[in-house]
Amino acid sequence: ETGVTQTPRHLVMGMTNKKSLKCEQHLGHNAMYWYKQSAKKPLELMFVYSLEERVENNSVPSRFSPECPNSSHLFLHLHTLQPEDSALYLCASSQGSRNTEAFFGQGTRLTVV
Amino acid sequence: GENVEQHPSTLSVQEGDSAVIKCTYSDSASNYFPWYKQELGKRPQLIIDIRSNVGEKKDQRIAVTLNKTAKHFSLHITETQPEDSAVYFCAARTPSGNTPLVFGKGTRLSVIA
Repeated sequence: ETGVTQTPRHLVMGMTNKKSLKCEQHLGHNAMYWYKQSAKKPLELMFVYSLEERVENNSVPSRFSPECPNSSHLFLHLHTLQPEDSALYLCASSQGSRNTEAFFGQGTRLTVV
Repeated sequence: GENVEQHPSTLSVQEGDSAVIKCTYSDSASNYFPWYKQELGKRPQLIIDIRSNVGEKKDQRIAVTLNKTAKHFSLHITETQPEDSAVYFCAARTPSGNTPLVFGKGTRLSVIA
């Protein structure tokens, strides 16, 4: 394992549901990211957290709400999603003070019905 | 912000032949260029990276070249094997604070036995 764990691995939800994706990293990194991966836009950056503060939001709809309670945990709260939001959601972390690689979790495969 | 273009989107080669994937970036301040491999159903994983103070880096059958003047970098895989079949992503990042990696759209490589 790379040290970045995502749960759940698979999620099916209705358009009126509320669910949360969880990401946890055990690498001592201080930056965490949410990426959306779909056939149309591979590896599309959604949110960046550095030292638990959001530093970037790439015009993501408000039905996606991130939360970073500490440097090891990152959540993505989902509310009234659309079928086109179905995708693989990948969490990643890196040591932001050094220009090094990002480590990815295994992703959550989300299907909105 | 940074923009990374990657070509080709798909590539098929015969086993034993070489494969080359090319990327261009827009921000001349970018100084870190990793390559990720994503096998079917798995997370993206780093296979090689290069920093702007180096023009070429090699690791067994994989090599990466960087031309900072032209703002492009390439991945070279020699003596391809069926297990090299995957989606490959290039990325770039500037050294400014906790900026995230910006990814290309990926190249689906198929190695035909």
